[in-house]
Amino acid sequence: AQTVTQSQPEMSVQEAETVTLSCTYDTSENNYYLFWYKQPPSRQMILVIRQEAYKQQNATENRFSVNFQKAAKSFSLKISDSQLGDTAMYFCAFMPSGTYKYIFGTGTRLKVLA
Amino acid sequence: SQTIHQWPATLVQPVGSPLSLECTVEGTSNPNLYWYRQAAGRGLQLLFYSVGIGQISSEVPQNLSASRPQDRQFILSSKKLLLSDSGFYLCAWTLTGAGSEQYFGPGTRLTVT
Repeated sequence: AQTVTQSQPEMSVQEAETVTLSCTYDTSENNYYLFWYKQPPSRQMILVIRQEAYKQQNATENRFSVNFQKAAKSFSLKISDSQLGDTAMYFCAFMPSGTYKYIFGTGTRLKVLA
Repeated sequence: SQTIHQWPATLVQPVGSPLSLECTVEGTSNPNLYWYRQAAGRGLQLLFYSVGIGQISSEVPQNLSASRPQDRQFILSSKKLLLSDSGFYLCAWTLTGAGSEQYFGPGTRLTVT
């Protein structure tokens, strides 16, 4: 079965510092998509960043970037210059190409400290 | 622009009562639609998804069911709620392209008493 593992249930970081959230996944597929979603206290889930497995270049979105290691099946999220508004639950998700199913990890609760 | 609506926002129901949660999407056609349940420490559990009217795929066997009576309407139902059905239910939609971003609704907090 395809699974997504987020091994850090909770993390904290000082404002303006950098933090990295880890995500690993298990699949035998070669083509797939990876996502990071953010769920703030308001519970409204939004996309942070998206990566296509066939692209070697790591995706970047402003202060958010990923370290995609396909061979290691690792997809970590780096948040630079952390802001109080980054406080949220972060979910890693995986979608095999050719399917409609998204598989989510259990999430990492990130708290940014002032 | 596209928007997704979910209601009700909160719901308290006794064990054994029926359930109907509704989700509608505006501003797009033929979206893929999804129902998830979020429980503490367990992430998002995919319950159902639909790629077209009348086409429902079930991921978890349980006492819940889903229907898609119209292109942009997705309904989650139960005939008799269990305590274990308590949780936060999220509806989401995507475009039909591969690897599309999911857009989530605001969610429904269901408490079964």
